[in-house]
Amino acid sequence: GENVEQHPSTLSVQEGDSAVIKCTYSDSASNYFPWYKQELGKRPQLIIDIRSNVGEKKDQRIAVTLNKTAKHFSLHITETQPEDSAVYFCAARGGNNRLAFGKGNQVVVIP
Amino acid sequence: KAGVTQTPRYLIKTRGQQVTLSCSPISGHRSVSWYQQTPGQGLQFLFEYFSETQRNKGNFPGRFSGRQFSNSRSEMNVSTLELGDSALYLCATNDLQGGTDTQYFGPGTRLTVL
Repeated sequence: GENVEQHPSTLSVQEGDSAVIKCTYSDSASNYFPWYKQELGKRPQLIIDIRSNVGEKKDQRIAVTLNKTAKHFSLHITETQPEDSAVYFCAARGGNNRLAFGKGNQVVVIP
Repeated sequence: KAGVTQTPRYLIKTRGQQVTLSCSPISGHRSVSWYQQTPGQGLQFLFEYFSETQRNKGNFPGRFSGRQFSNSRSEMNVSTLELGDSALYLCATNDLQGGTDTQYFGPGTRLTVL
């Protein structure tokens, strides 16, 4: 089945700087890659997703890039703000049609 | 539309007991997936139901089971509870027929096993 790894596990950035989280996946048949944000005590919420026929997608300060050859995808947050502090999960839907999640990345934005 | 709801929100049980958790999807969503979330392990897939049929299953022991009703509401059951079953159990639903993969999560049920 699909195996998703997420790095780094914790990331601290100064407010206004950019944050980048990278995920790798194992199943070359994976075709859908969402990113979820989970604030403390709340449910995961989809913030952006990308499909395998697209290399990059952007939504305001958030962007996701996909490299199918290397089997990795990354989340980019620009001009970080304190409200960006949360745990971010990447996921990949593999050939078994199951959504496999990474273990999460704690992002801390320092004011 | 109302969001995904889960009941109960909190549960405390003792080892050996069993528990049933409930998930009500967004109206029109027929796919319901269940996940176990523990610190350091992220979200681990339990199973997925679509139109009352289990369509996919994760690598959990047979003590974990589920079902889905004709109104798409789903329940999961854990029998013979162990301390390691303490976790946040999340369900997520999506509108597959709408052509989207987007999963919408419920608030979760926090299970504590003593």
